[in-house]
Amino acid sequence: GAVVSQHPSRVICKSGTSVKIECRSLDFQATTMFWYRQFPKQSLMLMATSNEGSKATYEQGVEKDKFLINHASLTLSTLTVTSAHPEDSSFYICSARDVVAYQTSGSRYEQFFGPGTRLTVL
Amino acid sequence: KQEVTQIPAALSVPEGENLVLNCSFTDSAIYNLQWFRQDPGKGLTSLLLIQSSQREQTSGRLNASLDKSSGRSTLYIAASQPGDSATYLCAKSGGSYIPTFGRGTSLIVHP
Repeated sequence: GAVVSQHPSRVICKSGTSVKIECRSLDFQATTMFWYRQFPKQSLMLMATSNEGSKATYEQGVEKDKFLINHASLTLSTLTVTSAHPEDSSFYICSARDVVAYQTSGSRYEQFFGPGTRLTVL
Repeated sequence: KQEVTQIPAALSVPEGENLVLNCSFTDSAIYNLQWFRQDPGKGLTSLLLIQSSQREQTSGRLNASLDKSSGRSTLYIAASQPGDSATYLCAKSGGSYIPTFGRGTSLIVHP
């Protein structure tokens, strides 16, 4: 199956600093990637949809100026948490959409998930 | 808004038991349903994916079924082992192709 990587896997930073997380599709091109966050014992919540070459689409309640998303190439999307605060501490997971089959009724998509990044803001 | 509910939230069983994890969803429009495993502090491992045209998928001791009419999916784990201990998440994709996740079932299988 397709592979998605994230870097770093773990980051600890001081309050007020900015942190960049990278999401890469290693063996396929992804025009669309997604960013999720997960609080302890909670589900994954979609933050934004990242589209290559265009602005990201943010879910309701997610501050776009706080969570900057850049999808500059077909294999890389970045999430920058600006002026991080302790409440931003969370597990951030990205996914990338790939076309797994072409059918007469339309393409079939599947999402592949990265291993996640644990952000701790002190 | 689409919701995905998983029952039970937690489960603790002795080794060897057969298990059924439940997932229900609102909004009958479904593209696919996927089951994942998540170990503590780790990312997601995809277990089974059922397309909307399918009724079930099997992989080893795992079997997942999909009943679109009732808005339900079940994950069946046969002969559970301590190594199966993890959180199991189901995620349903609708017309937008974007998965909505349930909160998961935390499973502990003790020797």
